[in-house]
Amino acid sequence: QSALTQPPSVSGSRGQSVTISCTGTSSDIGSSNRVSWYQQSPGAAPRLIIYEVSNRPSGVPDRFSGSQSGNAASLTISGLQAEDEAAYYCSSYTSSSIYVFGTGTEVTVL
Amino acid sequence: QVQLVQSGADVRKPGASVKVSCKASGYIFTAYYLHWLRQAPGQGLEWMGWINPGSGSTLYAQNFQDGVTMTRDTSIGTVYMELSSLRSDDTAIYYCAREAPRQYFDSWGQGTLVTVSS
Repeated sequence: QSALTQPPSVSGSRGQSVTISCTGTSSDIGSSNRVSWYQQSPGAAPRLIIYEVSNRPSGVPDRFSGSQSGNAASLTISGLQAEDEAAYYCSSYTSSSIYVFGTGTEVTVL
Repeated sequence: QVQLVQSGADVRKPGASVKVSCKASGYIFTAYYLHWLRQAPGQGLEWMGWINPGSGSTLYAQNFQDGVTMTRDTSIGTVYMELSSLRSDDTAIYYCAREAPRQYFDSWGQGTLVTVSS
């Protein structure tokens, strides 16, 4: 199972929106709505920010949103804040009942 | 609240084994699968497999089927991940994570750095 493909980095100014893509196959992203996103600040463990494509756990700001179309998913951060500077990983449960993660995207706030 | 607390950093020589623990609290230990993932320095997350704390059954990712063993001790609410025949490229932070019923990871341990060096 190959890793999901994400852009290595994206950047935006405070207040702007950025979108991170996550491309997979019909065996992972395209097989279900079990796509999740994780935020990882330097030196910290990953933190769940989106589950089942577009749901936010309690405590996650509503500027984080997710979507899916076919074999690809995306995470949008609207109204970028300084504290959003981190690495972001997508993940998908697959048709083989295993998990695969994305290659990771570093978000820089200019 | 849900907590996953892992054992401390470890240094091992190539060819040796390492065993990392993850103690769960704040929920019914046998009700949720626990997974292990790792992150090599400067790299992304790699899923290693899961253990069902209730039955002890396991599923390992293909890349780890020959070298990893996941076990649990229900009496102390702890799962273990043992990696054998260590190589330098096994140097990584190892995380345990709880799987929510709808296939995502809702709680993570703090991570355990395992360094493989002669």
